[in-house]
Amino acid sequence: AQKITQTQPGMFVQEKEAVTLDCTYDTSDQSYGLFWYKQPSSGEMIFLIYQGSYDEQNATEGRYSLNFQKARKSANLVISASQLGDSAMYFCAMREGRTGGFKTIFGAGTRLFVKA
Amino acid sequence: GAGVSQTPSNKVTEKGKYVELRCDPISGHTALYWYRQSLGQGPEFLIYFQGTGAADDSGLPNDRFFAVRPEGSVSTLKIQRTERGDSAVYLCASSLNPSGSGDEQFFGPGTRLTVL
Repeated sequence: AQKITQTQPGMFVQEKEAVTLDCTYDTSDQSYGLFWYKQPSSGEMIFLIYQGSYDEQNATEGRYSLNFQKARKSANLVISASQLGDSAMYFCAMREGRTGGFKTIFGAGTRLFVKA
Repeated sequence: GAGVSQTPSNKVTEKGKYVELRCDPISGHTALYWYRQSLGQGPEFLIYFQGTGAADDSGLPNDRFFAVRPEGSVSTLKIQRTERGDSAVYLCASSLNPSGSGDEQFFGPGTRLTVL
């Protein structure tokens, strides 16, 4: 069964420093996609970054990068140069391909606190 | 352009009542998803539509939950005989590419359902 694990319920980082949020996943499908979403206190879910299972290079989007280690089934999010506005919940998610029915499974989330 | 909208933003009902939650996806998005998010947890998949049909309804918790999308655009999530445990934020998302594992889902602001 597909599963997403985020082991860090909360993380602190100093403003302007980098932080890594951990995510491991479990799937038997060969084709899947990995996502990270940000959810501020306002409640909206904001898409950050996507990594496909067949992508050979790690995805990057501005200050966000995804450290994809397929053999270890990990997809950690790296935020560089943290800003106060980065304080939010962060969710890792996985969507399997056709054999998985296309449903998306989310982890329990990591709450990030950025300190001034 | 308009994003995903959901109505109502808040719904308070009594145990045993029937409720309907509405989702207007982004125009042109053929895929639509419903999720439920309880306090302190990640979104939980409920159902996924491709066009008018429910491609995957494996996340619906029981037969009190039902969703429709009769014209392939607006969707309604229906909950019969509500229970206190149904209290949560119900999120709707839509995406453009229904057949791949990498489509970005755009989320609505959610409907907060409270069952007294």
